[in-house]
Amino acid sequence: DIQMTQSPASLSASPEEIVTITCQASQDIGNWLAWYQQKPGKSPQLLIYSATSLADGIPSRFSGSRSGTQYSLKISRLQVEDTGIYYCLQRYSNPWTFGGGTKLELK
Amino acid sequence: EVQLQQSGPEVGRPGSSVKISCKASGYTFTDYVMNWVKQSPGQGLEWIGWIDPEYGSTDYAEKFKKKATLTADTSSNTAYIQLSSLTSEDTATYFCAIITTRFDYWGQGVMVTVSS
Repeated sequence: DIQMTQSPASLSASPEEIVTITCQASQDIGNWLAWYQQKPGKSPQLLIYSATSLADGIPSRFSGSRSGTQYSLKISRLQVEDTGIYYCLQRYSNPWTFGGGTKLELK
Repeated sequence: EVQLQQSGPEVGRPGSSVKISCKASGYTFTDYVMNWVKQSPGQGLEWIGWIDPEYGSTDYAEKFKKKATLTADTSSNTAYIQLSSLTSEDTATYFCAIITTRFDYWGQGVMVTVSS
């Protein structure tokens, strides 16, 4: 199975700050990487697909990047509504695997 | 508007089975495979597998091959997941989801509690 090692596990930042969350894949997954945000009691919401493409309706302060097998989600100008848990997902091979999650809180 | 409406919370006895549903609307049911994802309390997400409603073909994560059975009824546009031989490890929220390269739609999730 492909392991997705996500860091940090938790993060506290102030509004308007820039934060970065990373996922390290245990092997090459190409651009088969998506990022999700999940709020308590809700379903995950797609933010980024194909590693770098912004999903419909997602604010442009969210962006994704890739360097080899390391993938990053950057949130610029953090807003209060950005609190939640963020997950990466690889869909390169069965079984699809999620990162362990990053809990983002605002100071 | 695409909607995935899942059935209500379930309580199952250890060793028994439960079957939960996911009724799809707002699109052609056979156009997309339906995925199922597990989220244990306070934990992360696990992909269980998918079913292609048009052909009935399935793909499972190895971990769930003996635990979950995915089916789909094209006459009612409903996908199902049956969980068998329930243990406390199966207590979780189960989501159905259309997950494509460019867009996703998720059901609201169903809480399954295994309790005697």
